Amino acid sequence: ETGVTQSPTHLIKTRGQQVTLRCSSQSGHNTVSWYQQALGQGPQFIFQYYREEENGRGNFPPRFSGLQFPNYSSELNVNALELDDSALYLCASSWTKGGEQYFGPGTRLTVT
Amino acid sequence: AQSVSQHNHHVILSEAASLELGCNYSYGGTVNLFWYVQYPGQHLQLLLKYFSGDPLVKGIKGFEAEFIKSKFSFNLRKPSVQWSDTAEYFCAVIYNAGNMLTFGGGTRLMVKP
Repeated sequence: ETGVTQSPTHLIKTRGQQVTLRCSSQSGHNTVSWYQQALGQGPQFIFQYYREEENGRGNFPPRFSGLQFPNYSSELNVNALELDDSALYLCASSWTKGGEQYFGPGTRLTVT
Repeated sequence: AQSVSQHNHHVILSEAASLELGCNYSYGGTVNLFWYVQYPGQHLQLLLKYFSGDPLVKGIKGFEAEFIKSKFSFNLRKPSVQWSDTAEYFCAVIYNAGNMLTFGGGTRLMVKP
Protein backbone atom coordinates (compact mmCIF):
# COMPACT_ATOMS: atom_id res chain seq x y z
CA GLU A 1 0.00 0.00 0.00
CA THR A 2 1.48 3.32 -1.08
CA GLY A 3 1.28 6.20 1.35
CA VAL A 4 0.62 9.86 0.60
CA THR A 5 3.23 11.36 -1.69
CA GLN A 6 3.92 15.01 -2.49
CA SER A 7 5.99 16.83 -5.07
CA PRO A 8 8.22 18.69 -5.24
CA THR A 9 10.11 18.31 -1.96
CA HIS A 10 11.46 21.82 -1.97
CA LEU A 11 10.66 24.90 -4.00
CA ILE A 12 12.00 28.45 -4.11
CA LYS A 13 9.86 31.16 -5.68
CA THR A 14 9.94 34.92 -5.93
CA ARG A 15 7.26 37.20 -4.48
CA GLY A 16 4.41 37.68 -6.96
CA GLN A 17 4.94 34.37 -8.73
CA GLN A 18 2.53 31.46 -8.83
CA VAL A 19 3.18 27.90 -7.59
CA THR A 20 1.52 24.50 -7.97
CA LEU A 21 2.04 21.72 -5.44
CA ARG A 22 0.96 18.13 -6.04
CA CYS A 23 -0.30 15.32 -3.88
CA SER A 24 -1.15 11.68 -4.49
CA SER A 25 -3.51 10.23 -1.93
CA GLN A 26 -3.09 6.89 -0.22
CA SER A 27 -4.66 3.98 -2.06
CA GLY A 28 -8.41 3.75 -1.38
CA HIS A 29 -8.71 7.30 -0.03
CA ASN A 30 -11.15 9.69 -1.72
CA THR A 31 -10.58 12.79 0.42
CA VAL A 32 -7.60 15.12 0.37
CA SER A 33 -6.91 17.98 2.77
CA TRP A 34 -4.19 20.63 2.55
CA TYR A 35 -2.48 22.31 5.49
CA GLN A 36 0.10 25.06 5.88
CA GLN A 37 2.69 24.67 8.63
CA ALA A 38 4.72 27.76 9.41
CA LEU A 39 7.99 27.32 11.26
CA GLY A 40 7.45 26.48 14.92
CA GLN A 41 3.67 26.20 14.62
CA GLY A 42 1.07 23.51 14.17
CA PRO A 43 -0.46 22.90 10.74
CA GLN A 44 -3.37 25.12 9.69
CA PHE A 45 -6.20 23.84 7.52
CA ILE A 46 -6.37 25.38 4.03
CA PHE A 47 -9.14 23.33 2.39
CA GLN A 48 -10.42 19.83 1.71
CA TYR A 49 -11.51 18.06 -1.47
CA TYR A 50 -13.96 15.19 -1.48
CA ARG A 51 -14.74 13.44 -4.75
CA GLU A 52 -13.44 16.37 -6.78
CA GLU A 53 -15.46 19.05 -4.95
CA GLU A 54 -14.19 21.54 -2.37
CA ASN A 55 -15.58 20.45 0.99
CA GLY A 56 -14.63 23.13 3.46
CA ARG A 57 -12.10 25.91 3.59
CA GLY A 58 -10.04 27.47 6.33
CA ASN A 59 -9.12 31.11 6.79
CA PHE A 60 -7.05 31.50 3.64
CA PRO A 61 -7.55 34.04 0.83
CA PRO A 62 -8.90 33.09 -2.62
CA ARG A 63 -5.41 33.15 -4.13
CA PHE A 64 -5.09 29.71 -2.51
CA SER A 65 -7.02 27.34 -4.75
CA GLY A 66 -7.07 23.66 -5.47
CA LEU A 67 -8.20 20.79 -7.60
CA GLN A 68 -8.90 17.13 -7.13
CA PHE A 69 -8.72 14.73 -10.06
CA PRO A 70 -10.78 11.58 -10.77
CA ASN A 71 -7.96 9.43 -9.37
CA TYR A 72 -8.24 11.51 -6.14
CA SER A 73 -4.84 13.12 -6.53
CA SER A 74 -4.84 16.84 -5.84
CA GLU A 75 -3.12 20.15 -6.56
CA LEU A 76 -2.70 23.25 -4.44
CA ASN A 77 -2.21 26.48 -6.37
CA VAL A 78 -1.06 29.73 -4.82
CA ASN A 79 -1.10 32.92 -6.86
CA ALA A 80 0.64 36.21 -6.18
CA LEU A 81 3.03 34.68 -3.67
CA GLU A 82 3.88 36.68 -0.56
CA LEU A 83 6.84 36.29 1.77
CA ASP A 84 4.50 34.98 4.50
CA ASP A 85 3.55 32.07 2.26
CA SER A 86 6.93 30.52 3.06
CA ALA A 87 6.01 27.35 4.94
CA LEU A 88 5.74 23.57 4.80
CA TYR A 89 2.64 22.56 2.84
CA LEU A 90 1.16 19.27 3.93
CA CYS A 91 -1.29 17.06 2.14
CA ALA A 92 -3.36 14.49 4.00
CA SER A 93 -5.74 11.86 2.71
CA SER A 94 -8.56 9.94 4.37
CA TRP A 95 -11.25 7.39 3.58
CA THR A 96 -14.05 9.80 4.42
CA LYS A 97 -14.58 13.51 4.93
CA GLY A 98 -14.28 13.37 8.72
CA GLY A 99 -12.04 10.38 9.15
CA GLU A 100 -8.50 10.10 10.40
CA GLN A 101 -6.04 11.75 8.07
CA TYR A 102 -2.71 10.39 6.87
CA PHE A 103 -0.06 12.92 5.98
CA GLY A 104 2.52 13.14 3.25
CA PRO A 105 6.09 14.39 3.76
CA GLY A 106 5.23 17.94 2.70
CA THR A 107 6.60 20.50 0.26
CA ARG A 108 8.89 23.18 1.69
CA LEU A 109 8.11 26.46 -0.09
CA THR A 110 10.42 29.43 0.27
CA VAL A 111 9.35 32.78 -1.11
CA THR A 112 12.09 35.37 -1.56
CA ALA B 1 -13.12 30.29 17.85
CA GLN B 2 -12.35 26.63 18.28
CA SER B 3 -8.77 26.10 19.38
CA VAL B 4 -6.34 23.56 20.79
CA SER B 5 -3.71 24.36 23.42
CA GLN B 6 -0.59 22.43 24.23
CA HIS B 7 0.89 23.83 27.39
CA ASN B 8 4.44 22.54 27.14
CA HIS B 9 6.41 23.80 24.16
CA HIS B 10 9.61 21.99 25.07
CA VAL B 11 10.11 18.98 27.33
CA ILE B 12 13.41 17.34 28.18
CA LEU B 13 13.42 13.94 29.89
CA SER B 14 15.92 11.23 30.64
CA GLU B 15 15.35 7.73 29.32
CA ALA B 16 12.93 5.66 31.43
CA ALA B 17 11.21 8.77 32.79
CA SER B 18 7.45 8.98 32.54
CA LEU B 19 5.85 11.36 30.07
CA GLU B 20 2.67 13.35 30.16
CA LEU B 21 1.94 16.00 27.52
CA GLY B 22 -1.03 18.26 28.04
CA CYS B 23 -3.71 19.07 25.48
CA ASN B 24 -6.82 21.14 26.02
CA TYR B 25 -9.44 22.05 23.47
CA SER B 26 -12.05 24.76 23.49
CA TYR B 27 -15.70 23.91 23.90
CA GLY B 28 -17.28 23.22 20.54
CA GLY B 29 -19.67 20.33 20.79
CA THR B 30 -18.67 16.83 19.81
CA VAL B 31 -15.01 16.14 19.22
CA ASN B 32 -12.80 13.56 17.59
CA LEU B 33 -9.33 13.70 19.13
CA PHE B 34 -5.91 12.80 17.77
CA TRP B 35 -2.25 12.79 18.67
CA TYR B 36 0.27 12.95 15.86
CA VAL B 37 4.05 12.61 16.10
CA GLN B 38 6.73 14.00 13.82
CA TYR B 39 10.12 12.32 14.19
CA PRO B 40 13.13 14.31 12.95
CA GLY B 41 13.16 14.34 9.15
CA GLN B 42 9.94 12.37 8.87
CA HIS B 43 6.31 13.20 8.15
CA LEU B 44 3.44 13.45 10.62
CA GLN B 45 2.29 10.04 11.82
CA LEU B 46 -0.89 9.17 13.70
CA LEU B 47 -0.13 7.96 17.23
CA LEU B 48 -3.67 7.40 18.45
CA LYS B 49 -7.23 8.62 18.10
CA TYR B 50 -10.43 8.89 20.10
CA PHE B 51 -13.86 8.96 18.49
CA SER B 52 -16.10 7.45 21.19
CA GLY B 53 -16.25 4.72 23.82
CA ASP B 54 -13.54 3.99 26.40
CA PRO B 55 -11.92 7.34 27.22
CA LEU B 56 -8.55 5.66 27.75
CA VAL B 57 -7.07 5.09 24.32
CA LYS B 58 -3.99 3.03 23.53
CA GLY B 59 -1.87 3.85 20.52
CA ILE B 60 1.33 2.70 18.91
CA LYS B 61 4.74 2.47 20.58
CA GLY B 62 3.33 2.25 24.12
CA PHE B 63 1.57 5.62 24.08
CA GLU B 64 -1.86 6.18 25.58
CA ALA B 65 -4.18 9.14 26.04
CA GLU B 66 -7.12 9.86 28.31
CA PHE B 67 -10.14 11.89 27.22
CA ILE B 68 -11.57 13.82 30.19
CA LYS B 69 -14.69 15.52 28.89
CA SER B 70 -15.24 17.66 32.01
CA LYS B 71 -11.76 19.14 31.65
CA PHE B 72 -11.77 19.41 27.83
CA SER B 73 -8.49 17.53 27.92
CA PHE B 74 -6.79 14.73 26.00
CA ASN B 75 -3.38 14.26 27.59
CA LEU B 76 -0.78 11.94 26.11
CA ARG B 77 1.15 9.58 28.38
CA LYS B 78 3.91 7.02 28.24
CA PRO B 79 5.19 5.23 31.35
CA SER B 80 8.83 5.00 30.24
CA VAL B 81 10.28 7.02 27.37
CA GLN B 82 13.13 5.98 25.11
CA TRP B 83 15.68 8.04 23.22
CA SER B 84 13.80 7.12 20.02
CA ASP B 85 10.75 9.03 21.30
CA THR B 86 12.56 12.30 20.60
CA ALA B 87 10.14 14.10 18.29
CA GLU B 88 7.52 16.80 18.06
CA TYR B 89 4.04 15.85 19.25
CA PHE B 90 0.84 17.49 18.03
CA CYS B 91 -2.63 17.27 19.51
CA ALA B 92 -5.47 17.78 17.00
CA VAL B 93 -9.25 17.94 17.10
CA ILE B 94 -12.08 17.59 14.62
CA TYR B 95 -15.10 19.50 15.95
CA ASN B 96 -18.75 18.57 15.38
CA ALA B 97 -18.13 15.79 12.87
CA GLY B 98 -16.52 18.29 10.56
CA ASN B 99 -13.65 17.73 8.23
CA MET B 100 -10.78 19.93 9.35
CA LEU B 101 -8.13 19.09 11.90
CA THR B 102 -7.43 21.93 14.34
CA PHE B 103 -3.90 21.50 15.66
CA GLY B 104 -2.19 22.66 18.79
CA GLY B 105 1.15 24.38 18.54
CA GLY B 106 3.12 21.21 19.22
CA THR B 107 5.47 20.02 21.98
CA ARG B 108 9.09 19.25 21.25
CA LEU B 109 10.26 16.30 23.32
CA MET B 110 13.94 15.55 23.76
CA VAL B 111 14.89 12.33 25.51
CA LYS B 112 18.44 12.19 26.81
CA PRO B 113 20.14 8.79 26.66
